[in-house]
Amino acid sequence: GEDVEQSLFLSVREGDSSVINCTYTDSSSTYLYWYKQEPGAGLQLLTYIFSNMDMKQDQRLTVLLNKKDKHLSLRIADTQTGDSAIYFCADRGSQGNLIFGKGTKLSVKP
Amino acid sequence: GAVVSQHPSWVICKSGTSVKIECRSLDFQATTMFWYRQFPKQSLMLMATSNEGSKATYEQGVEKDKFLINHASLTLSTLTVTSAHPEDSSFYICSARLGAGELFFGEGSRLTVL
Repeated sequence: GEDVEQSLFLSVREGDSSVINCTYTDSSSTYLYWYKQEPGAGLQLLTYIFSNMDMKQDQRLTVLLNKKDKHLSLRIADTQTGDSAIYFCADRGSQGNLIFGKGTKLSVKP
Repeated sequence: GAVVSQHPSWVICKSGTSVKIECRSLDFQATTMFWYRQFPKQSLMLMATSNEGSKATYEQGVEKDKFLINHASLTLSTLTVTSAHPEDSSFYICSARLGAGELFFGEGSRLTVL
C-alpha cells in the first residue's frame, strides 16, 4: 500500500537551516504536503507542492521534490525556537485522504 | 482560507459513556470529511471517510459500531465514540475537503477516558 517515511528527530541551533526529509511510495501522487503540529494542537498546513514541480519557495520555507526518487524535503531557513514542532509529510492517497509519515520532531536550541 | 472547527477541544469522560465530537466546515461545503486518530508521539491514522448523505467507509481494523460517524449535512460530520474505554483515549482530528481540492484540518479533540 501507499507509505510515507520520514526521520523521527532533528535538532538544530537557532539561526541554522533545518532540512526535513521524506520518502513516499505512491508514484501517482499529485500533491505532497508539509504540515506542522505544535504540542496539543491540530495540524497547520505549511506548504504543498504539485508533482510537476521540482521546487517551491515560500518565505523561509523551501520544498524540493525529486519525483524520480520519490523524495521530498522541507528546508527552513534561519530556524527559530518558534519552529520547534513536529513536521508531517503527507501524500494525497488514491481515496483523496492524506497519508501521513510518522512525523519529524524538530528541536531548536538557542 | 477555509476553516474547519472541531468541538469539543478537550473532553474527559467516564469509562462506559459515549462521547460525540463534531466537525464543521465553517465557510464551505464539504461533501467528504475524514476522521483521523493520533496516538501520543505517533502519526495520524485514517479511521474513516465520511460522505454526506451516505454511510461512512471505515479503514481496516476500525470498529464501525464503536466509532459511529454521521455526515448529515454538507457542513457537519460527527464522530461518536460509544461505550468509551481508557484505550480509546486519543487525539481525534477531522479534515474536510473543499471540492476535489485541498484538505483543511480541524484543531483536534483530545479525549481522555477515565
